[in-house]
Amino acid sequence: NAGVTQTPKFQVLKTGQSMTLQCAQDMNHEYMSWYRQDPGMGLRLIHYSVGAGITDQGEVPNGYNVSRSTTEDFPLRLLSAAPSQTSVYFCASSYSGMGYEQYFGPGTRLTVT
Amino acid sequence: RKEVEQDPGPFNVPEGATVAFNCTYSNSASQSFFWYRQDCRKEPKLLMSVYSSGNEDGRFTAQLNRASQYISLLIRDSKLSDSATYLCVVQAGTALIFGKGTTLSVSS
Repeated sequence: NAGVTQTPKFQVLKTGQSMTLQCAQDMNHEYMSWYRQDPGMGLRLIHYSVGAGITDQGEVPNGYNVSRSTTEDFPLRLLSAAPSQTSVYFCASSYSGMGYEQYFGPGTRLTVT
Repeated sequence: RKEVEQDPGPFNVPEGATVAFNCTYSNSASQSFFWYRQDCRKEPKLLMSVYSSGNEDGRFTAQLNRASQYISLLIRDSKLSDSATYLCVVQAGTALIFGKGTTLSVSS
């Protein structure tokens, strides 16, 4: 099993550009989520999904969209990139929600200039 | 925002030392508690869950005090490979709240 995969590993965007961060898992996990990690701060939840077709907002959802059309994939879309979105983005999955072990992908390092 | 507070360190200890990390949380309704480990520029990985009765996994012991809203992690006989950042994580409703992490550096 590959676990949780994320692409790209690195990305540089200009302010105003849009892009999609890809996340996929092959563990048949129902629960998937996106976090951002900034220096001096804990990981913060952006969006999460409890199953295909169901998504909800986390703590810092503004500027991001998600969809969950399959169990395996949970892409994160940046609508109009801003320098404040410069961060490391982690996708995670778990068997069933927050109370279970979260399996994280390797992360995407995004810089917005 | 519901908070999880940790001493950021860094904790610099020699091999073989015992080191303890502390964590406090603000939401008394928190349901589940974890310690994750994060190596430099890597993703977090679960180290252990924390139960009210306390639990041990080899050299690692975790304790939870719900009354004081306090979580601890004890590492005995530290190894060089224990050098990492340790994240205290608390579930509150539909959210996992991550502490900023405590950095441990073990030297020979």
